[in-house]
Amino acid sequence: DTGVSQDPRHKITKRGQNVTFRCDPISEHNRLYWYRQTLGQGPEFLTYFQNEAQLEKSRLLSDRFSAERPKGSFSTLEIQRTEQGDSAMYLCASSFMASRGSTLEQYFGPGTRLTVT
Amino acid sequence: GNSVTQMEGPVTLSEEAFLTINCTYTATGYPSLFWYVQYPGEGLQLLLKATKADDKGSNKGFEATYRKETTSFHLEKGSVQVSDSAVYFCALITFAGGTSYGKLTFGQGTILTVHP
Repeated sequence: DTGVSQDPRHKITKRGQNVTFRCDPISEHNRLYWYRQTLGQGPEFLTYFQNEAQLEKSRLLSDRFSAERPKGSFSTLEIQRTEQGDSAMYLCASSFMASRGSTLEQYFGPGTRLTVT
Repeated sequence: GNSVTQMEGPVTLSEEAFLTINCTYTATGYPSLFWYVQYPGEGLQLLLKATKADDKGSNKGFEATYRKETTSFHLEKGSVQVSDSAVYFCALITFAGGTSYGKLTFGQGTILTVHP
């Protein structure tokens, strides 16, 4: 297994355009997370899935953002009508949730760096 | 809610110096604690973890002890190397039930630079 992969690694777009990012988790992992990291800050939680179900969304995830994981494998994060404030690194992570009380070690991908001009 | 506070950076050390990066937290519920490291141009990697009070996590010469009484999880290494230059993030997860289960809360990160 090669770990969590994300595509593209870099995206430059003009304000107002739509963008979509893809994340492929570690194959046996049933949980998938999206985080956003701005310069000089730690990652901030956006949303997460268990299998295909989206279980939680942060208030950071405005209605311009939508995430899907249709078959419980890869996930996409779409940003509509991008704004300059959306410029950030978008990180994907995955984990395997076995039972309540397990330590949820999350494995991160390399991220997609979005620049909105 | 949950929050993590790390010492202000950047931290600059000479090779073989002793390293401490302070981390304190507030949490609802009983947290598990983590240190992640981000090397230049790479993704976040789990460095070490601790799941209950007085546990010591260790990896690659780094150590951190879960101190519930002081709500701290300070990262230490006895002798740093140039290759340890990276950004270090303290993080936690709580198992508070409901939909708050499973997301990491990170500190702001501490940049470490080690000179030869």
